[in-house]
Amino acid sequence: AQSVTQPDIHITVSEGASLELRCNYSYGATPYLFWYVQSPGQGLQLLLKYFSGDTLVQGIKGFEAEFKRSQSSFNLRKPSVHWSDAAEYFCAVGPNSGYALNFGKGTSLLVTP
Amino acid sequence: DADVTQTPRNRITKTGKRIMLECSQTKGHDRMYWYRQDPGLGLRLIYYSFDVKDINKGEISDGYSVSRQAQAKFSLSLESAIPNQTALYFCATSDGGGTNTEAFFGQGTRLTVV
Repeated sequence: AQSVTQPDIHITVSEGASLELRCNYSYGATPYLFWYVQSPGQGLQLLLKYFSGDTLVQGIKGFEAEFKRSQSSFNLRKPSVHWSDAAEYFCAVGPNSGYALNFGKGTSLLVTP
Repeated sequence: DADVTQTPRNRITKTGKRIMLECSQTKGHDRMYWYRQDPGLGLRLIYYSFDVKDINKGEISDGYSVSRQAQAKFSLSLESAIPNQTALYFCATSDGGGTNTEAFFGQGTRLTVV
């Protein structure tokens, strides 16, 4: 069965520091992979997506992610975190039944001054 | 205006009451979904629909029902609400499979059952 694991429930980084959020997936075929961000009181916004091709994917707000098939990973990175990046981040894999996405449990990012 | 609109945004209801959460979209997508978000559990799929005649159960459909009134409207009902249905509910749409699998989300409905 398809699944997504986000090993870190909470991460705290200092403003200006680099960030890496981990995502591991289990999927029987070539996966479609996504990272979404949820700011407090908001819906989910797509940061980036991977379908095929170049394994390094650029997204919005300065984020990037790298697909590593050998490690079944799709980690999200940002070179320099801003206070406004504090949010909940979700990794997702698809397509599943009905082309729905299967989400990880999320990583909560706290940014300190 | 938002492409995917959920109403209400917040709702408090009593145990045993029937409640309906509504979702409408202007994206023209065929596929619509209802997810439930609980702290530490991420998003779990409740129901999904390909079109008005095609409704399918997701991972956690017990205690819920849905209605696809039109291509643009997909409602989620709790026939007899219970406290463990307290959660944040999201409606989402997608244009289909393949590279159109990306989901677009509404702002969410925070439901509290007391």
